[in-house]
Amino acid sequence: DAKTTQPPSMDCAEGRAANLPCNHSTISGNEYVYWYRQIHSQGPQYIIHGLKNNETNEMASLIITEDRKSSTLILPHATLRDTAVYYCIVKHRGSQGNLIFGKGTKLSVKP
Amino acid sequence: DTAVSQTPKYLVTQMGNDKSIKCEQNLGHDTMYWYKQDSKKFLKIMFSYNNKELIINETVPNRFSPKSPDKAHLNLHINSLELGDSAVYFCASSPLQGASAEAFFGQGTRLTVV
Repeated sequence: DAKTTQPPSMDCAEGRAANLPCNHSTISGNEYVYWYRQIHSQGPQYIIHGLKNNETNEMASLIITEDRKSSTLILPHATLRDTAVYYCIVKHRGSQGNLIFGKGTKLSVKP
Repeated sequence: DTAVSQTPKYLVTQMGNDKSIKCEQNLGHDTMYWYKQDSKKFLKIMFSYNNKELIINETVPNRFSPKSPDKAHLNLHINSLELGDSAVYFCASSPLQGASAEAFFGQGTRLTVV
């Protein structure tokens, strides 16, 4: 599975959009981009995933560049409860389901 | 209803002891996993089980053994505990192997070996 690169930390003001970037320049054509987050002391939580089209659900939006070498997770209106470590993971959808977690981005939402 | 539940939530034990952590999922998923998160917060896959068959073993010491009595349970047995085993252990489950990586995680078991 391709490697991802994320900034170690980011801050965001409460109520504003949080844009979390992820680089995955070695992604192959059949690899998906997944996002999970881990709120302090809790288990990781699935957020969203996509292949090449932009995706949106009740939690977030995922914007994938046309060349698929990078993506951005957008939390449209961040709240204090969105403070967490966010993980960008690239994997084959057809491969075994284990997830390879990197270091992620520590997002701090501030009042 | 809790989707993936682990017990106990906290476990403190002495070196050399044998302990077990239980995991149950009520989602009807086919695959279950164990992950370890160490003190540096790195999350690493340990095992996964699909229909009672071990399909991944990421070079985990053989002191660790997963046991799956049925599709809804994957317990983790640890023999001869060492200080380095102290970590948070997360159980997870997902639908058909490879069909989706949307995994659901339990709340974790914090194991402290003294």
